[in-house]
Amino acid sequence: ETGVTQSPTHLIKTRGQQVTLRCSSQSGHNTVSWYQQALGQGPQFIFQYYREEENGRGNFPPRFSGLQFPNYSSELNVNALELDDSALYLCASSPYQTQETQYFGPGTRLLVL
Amino acid sequence: QQQVKQSPQSLIVQKGGISIINCAYENTAFDYFPWYQQFPGKGPALLIAIRPDVSEKKEGRFTISFNKSAKQFSLHIMDSQPGDSATYFCAASRRSGQNFVFGPGTRLSVLP
Repeated sequence: ETGVTQSPTHLIKTRGQQVTLRCSSQSGHNTVSWYQQALGQGPQFIFQYYREEENGRGNFPPRFSGLQFPNYSSELNVNALELDDSALYLCASSPYQTQETQYFGPGTRLLVL
Repeated sequence: QQQVKQSPQSLIVQKGGISIINCAYENTAFDYFPWYQQFPGKGPALLIAIRPDVSEKKEGRFTISFNKSAKQFSLHIMDSQPGDSATYFCAASRRSGQNFVFGPGTRLSVLP
């Protein structure tokens, strides 16, 4: 059974640019959630996707958007990057029957200069 | 109302000792309380979780104690080992898994 995978592992962007991060969910999981983890802090919930629809959103501006594909993989898009967007971006997948049981990927570390 | 408080910020324990990390929540709508373990450069890994219908859950050396009336829960690591050295996060959620709220984390160091 393959776990949650994310790409790329590291990324450097400049302020104002746009970035796309990718996540492949664990086999059998159809719900994907995205989190932002700043250095030394706990993860913060960005949004959740189920059946290709946004299914809940945290306190993040609209320039954070996402997609979920029919194979349950997902993308996180961030437009107009700001310095404070520098963080570890985590994807977590879960089966619909127990959406609260979330399994995290290794994350993508984004640095905005 | 969405905040989860966690203490201590850091903890140093001798090998074989008991590590105790405490969390408190405010939102009574939360009904799922997991603990995650995170090593440097890795994503958080689910360690153990509890629902408010039980006061304690044990899995191996890890035990969650839950006090619904006080809105507090804690993680006990028995016989702590150097390999347990990591950052531990408590979290709270509705069963839908939406709006997971994490505590700020506790950095545990177990000395050999």
